This record gives sequence, C-alpha cells and structure tokens, in this order.
Amino acid sequence: GENVEQHPSTLSVQEGDSAVIKCTYSDSASNYFPWYKQELGKGPQLIIDIRSNVGEKKDQRIAVTLNKTAKHFSLHITETQPEDSAVYFCAASMRAGGTSYGKLTFGQGTILTVHP
Amino acid sequence: NAGVTQTPKFQVLKTGQSMTLQCAQDMNHEYMSWYRQDPGMGLRLIHYSVGAGITDQGEVPNGYNVSRSTTEDFPLRLLSAAPSQTSVYFCASSSGVRFYNEQFFGPGTRLTVL
Repeated sequence: GENVEQHPSTLSVQEGDSAVIKCTYSDSASNYFPWYKQELGKGPQLIIDIRSNVGEKKDQRIAVTLNKTAKHFSLHITETQPEDSAVYFCAASMRAGGTSYGKLTFGQGTILTVHP
Repeated sequence: NAGVTQTPKFQVLKTGQSMTLQCAQDMNHEYMSWYRQDPGMGLRLIHYSVGAGITDQGEVPNGYNVSRSTTEDFPLRLLSAAPSQTSVYFCASSSGVRFYNEQFFGPGTRLTVL
C-alpha cells in the first residue's frame, strides 16, 4: 500500500519567518495531495490541495509544490503568524476500486510553533 | 449546517466491553470514513463507505465493525475493546461527485481502554 513520510516532526519559527514541511510518497498511483491543519482538540481541516497534473498551487500565504518524478510534495507558509501554530498533515490519495472515493494515507504530522 | 458530528467526545472502557461511536453528517455526502489518530502515526483509515449499504475495509480494520443504513449515519462498533484501541477516532465525509473532493472531519472521540 501507499506510504507517506513527513518531515520535520516539529518546527519552531519566529513570527514573520517562512516554514516548509516536506512529504514523500511511495505509490505512483496516488494523484491527489491535500494538506490538513489540526488545531488542539479539533478535527483536521483542509487548507490547500494539489492534483497530480499541477506542479504548484498558491493561496495567499500558503503554497504547495509537487514533484511527481521524485514523489515529493511540500507545504510552504510565508509570513507566519502565531495563529498558524498547529499540527499539519500531508496526505496522498488514490482512487478506491471503481468509485470516485479517494483513500487518504496521511503523513505522521508536523507540530508548527510560531513564536511572537 | 452542523457538518460532521460525533458522539461521545470522551469514553473510557474496560477491556472486553463493547461500544458504538456515533457519526452523523447533514451535508448529504455520499462517502463517509472512520480514522484513528495515534501519536506519531498520523491518521489511519479504519473503514469507509461509498453509499448506504456499501462499506469496505481500510488500512486498520481489525477489531472494528461498521454498517451504513442511511446516508447520514455511519456508526463504528467495537465488539470487544482492547487497550490497543485506545486512540482518538475521527469520522469524515465527502461528496461523491469527484475523486478530489475535500473530506470534512468531525471533532473526534477520545477513547481510552483500560
């Protein structure tokens, strides 16, 4: 099955700095890569995603890049703010059987702390 | 719209006890999933459903049963709880329109098995 590795496990930055989280996946059949943010005591929430036919996607201060050949994808957060502090998960998705359901395989998570 | 709701928020069980974790969504989503979250391991898929009456196994299905009799509800049953099932459980739902539809997660149930 699919395996997703995520690094680093913890990341501490000063407010205003950039943060980068990297993930690798193993199965070339994965073709959709969402990123989730999880705040304390809450469920994960989608913040950005990228499909396999796209190399980069940006939404205000966050961006995601995908290198299909190397099976790498990364999350970039610029101008970090204290409210960005949370756990971030990458995931890789592949279609399940004859449906349009996407089975998600998650990375281990990155605890991001932004110091004021 | 309440989104995805889960009950209870917290539960403590003794080894061997059974219980059902409830999950409901009011978005008329076709797909629903159960995940467990353990420290350092991310979220792992337990079971999923692509419609009423249709369920399938995920990555870690052993010890769990599911059924889906309505579009709205997708309960997860532990028939004989074990300490290894101590975890935080999340239910998620997504529209079945496209493969890359967002999965919406509930707030989670924290389960401790003694």
